[in-house]
Amino acid sequence: QVQLVQSGAEVKKPGASVKVSCKASGYTFTSYGISWVRQAPGQGLEWMGWISAYNGNTNYAQKLQGRVTMTTDTSTSTAYMELRSLRSDDTAVYYCAREYSYGYGFYYMDVWGKGTTVTVSS
Amino acid sequence: QSVLTQPPSVSGAPGQRVTISCTGSSSNIGAGYDVHWYQQLPGTAPKLLIYGNSNRPSGVPDRFSGSKSGTSASLAITGLQAEDEADYYCQSYDSSLSGSGVFGTGTKVTVL
Repeated sequence: QVQLVQSGAEVKKPGASVKVSCKASGYTFTSYGISWVRQAPGQGLEWMGWISAYNGNTNYAQKLQGRVTMTTDTSTSTAYMELRSLRSDDTAVYYCAREYSYGYGFYYMDVWGKGTTVTVSS
Repeated sequence: QSVLTQPPSVSGAPGQRVTISCTGSSSNIGAGYDVHWYQQLPGTAPKLLIYGNSNRPSGVPDRFSGSKSGTSASLAITGLQAEDEADYYCQSYDSSLSGSGVFGTGTKVTVL
């Protein structure tokens, strides 16, 4: 079955970096994109960005530009999201999701990982 | 801050019909971009509920329906059931800010 398996919880100090992985299985990895979404405690969903697993093209949320990098490893069907210069307000559950695209600006997230909790605390 | 606005909460008795609005602008829903809806049960990851404004993925009950008009979209739940108690989010694309995905502010549905 189609699934996305994410790496385990992380605890980081302010100023550090974190890299979350998302391993895909059950489908052709390069036929879809991967979106990253985060959710701070008690808050709503926040779109972080997207990467094409086909060619590596990315589109990041403007507020995270310069701090976030999304990559893929097609040999292992794994996507990665690295966030640098962590702050306390980066504490959140980070989700990866398979993105089905049917035109520019037309896409939805049809399969989600279970989430990775990242805690930023001194 | 989200560019798609939803009511913080809606409630209804079992069997009733509730609707959730998602209000955008001319750079997202009003520009013709589709709206999709996700259900998030407590402590779990979001799940796709409606795609392309009004389409249900396989396995989603037909009690859930979606629509879009102008700069807004709506999710309706008919025959409300206890297991529908969850948070619901709309999602679209916004052509401003170099183009990005956007989520609604989220709505908590409570079954009385």
